[in-house]
Amino acid sequence: QTVVTQEPSLSVSPGETITLTCGLSSGSVSANCFPSWYQQSPGQPPRTLISTTNSRSSGVPDRFSGSILGNKAALTITGVQADDESDYYCLLYLGRGSWVFGGGTKLTVL
Amino acid sequence: QVQLQESGPGLVKPLGTVSLTCAVSGFSISSGFYWGWIRKPPGKGLEWIGSSSHSGGAYYSPSFQRRVAIVLDTPWDRFSLTLTSATAADTATYFCARHRSGSKHFDLWGQGILVAVSS
Repeated sequence: QTVVTQEPSLSVSPGETITLTCGLSSGSVSANCFPSWYQQSPGQPPRTLISTTNSRSSGVPDRFSGSILGNKAALTITGVQADDESDYYCLLYLGRGSWVFGGGTKLTVL
Repeated sequence: QVQLQESGPGLVKPLGTVSLTCAVSGFSISSGFYWGWIRKPPGKGLEWIGSSSHSGGAYYSPSFQRRVAIVLDTPWDRFSLTLTSATAADTATYFCARHRSGSKHFDLWGQGILVAVSS
């Protein structure tokens, strides 16, 4: 079974830029995987940040951007703020009506 | 304003059935979207369970394929999740969500409901 991979944890200082990635255990991530990104804080439902690789959801600051970097999907946060500290999940469409979430990245703002 | 709200028993006995309902307000579930269920076990990540639409049938994760069903109740704008043969590994917060078929992402979420499987 295909596994979607994410960095388990990352840390960043306020004001810096951080990139989170989302890959496949076998193969490359492309736009055909319709990568989307979600932010989840403890006790809250997920918040949709990005869809179809790089489309920001309504109300999401433009500090958040999505892209394909090499063979992975990427979420870049520019000018990190303290309240960006959260868990981040990517979701990939693997075809034939199958979606898989990555294991999530715990982002710590130092 | 579109809202989703989960409801159902918070405690299920081992080998019992997890049965949850998601009530949708402000939108008709027969309007061409998929409607899905996602869960988050304690200390673990999000898991897609499955999605169903009024006209496009249902898709289920292989991890749940043999024991899951998602059914739409269009007159009442609600949909349900049934997960049979529950074990402690099914203890999780369950979220319902609107699933866009074109862009293939979840754009609206319920608040979630915690279900514990325990005797």
